[in-house]
Amino acid sequence: NAGVTQTPKFQVLKTGQSMTLQCAQDMNHNSMYWYRQDPGMGLRLIYYSASEGTTDKGEVPNGYNVSRLNKREFSLRLESAAPSQTSVYFCASTSGTGDADTQYFGPGTRLTVL
Amino acid sequence: AQSVAQPEDQVNVAEGNPLTVKCTYSVSGNPYLFWYVQYPNRGLKFLLKYITGDNLVKGSYGFEAEFNKSQTSFHLKKPSALVSDSALYFCAVRPPYNQGGKLIFGQGTELSVKP
Repeated sequence: NAGVTQTPKFQVLKTGQSMTLQCAQDMNHNSMYWYRQDPGMGLRLIYYSASEGTTDKGEVPNGYNVSRLNKREFSLRLESAAPSQTSVYFCASTSGTGDADTQYFGPGTRLTVL
Repeated sequence: AQSVAQPEDQVNVAEGNPLTVKCTYSVSGNPYLFWYVQYPNRGLKFLLKYITGDNLVKGSYGFEAEFNKSQTSFHLKKPSALVSDSALYFCAVRPPYNQGGKLIFGQGTELSVKP
């Protein structure tokens, strides 16, 4: 059981470039999430997918798009990267069957936009 | 607006001493409360959660947390700190009737345990 996996681990982009962050979980979870972590700001939700086939905006969705490819995979796309998107990105998942479900996190992708 | 506050950016404790990491929340209704730990260059790891019932919740690695409804607090505690407890700790809240299971995170508290 790998849990939640993310690729790549590190990425450096130039302003205006695009990229897709990949996330997969092998726990048969229904719900998946993308967060960004910035110093002193905790984790902020970018997008989430409550179940396969649905996606919704979180707190900071501007500049991002997502795709719930299937039950296992949830990708995050930056169409035109900006320096303000320099951050650490975490994917998480939860079973989505109960109100107090625990979210399980991937190891993160450290992104720098120059 | 719903929010979570961790009033201390950093907590310093000597090994063997008790530790407390504070968390307060502003959410209407009865929320679910979580603590996560993050070691350097790693993802977040679940420590414990409060759903209902006993106000003292026990979790992983000897940590516990005390829920106080009147003070809207959920402080993380450990009777005897270890150097290996040094990490970044996050409090999180899931408001009731929350579509999609979304969590609201505090800004994090850096715990440093010195030998």
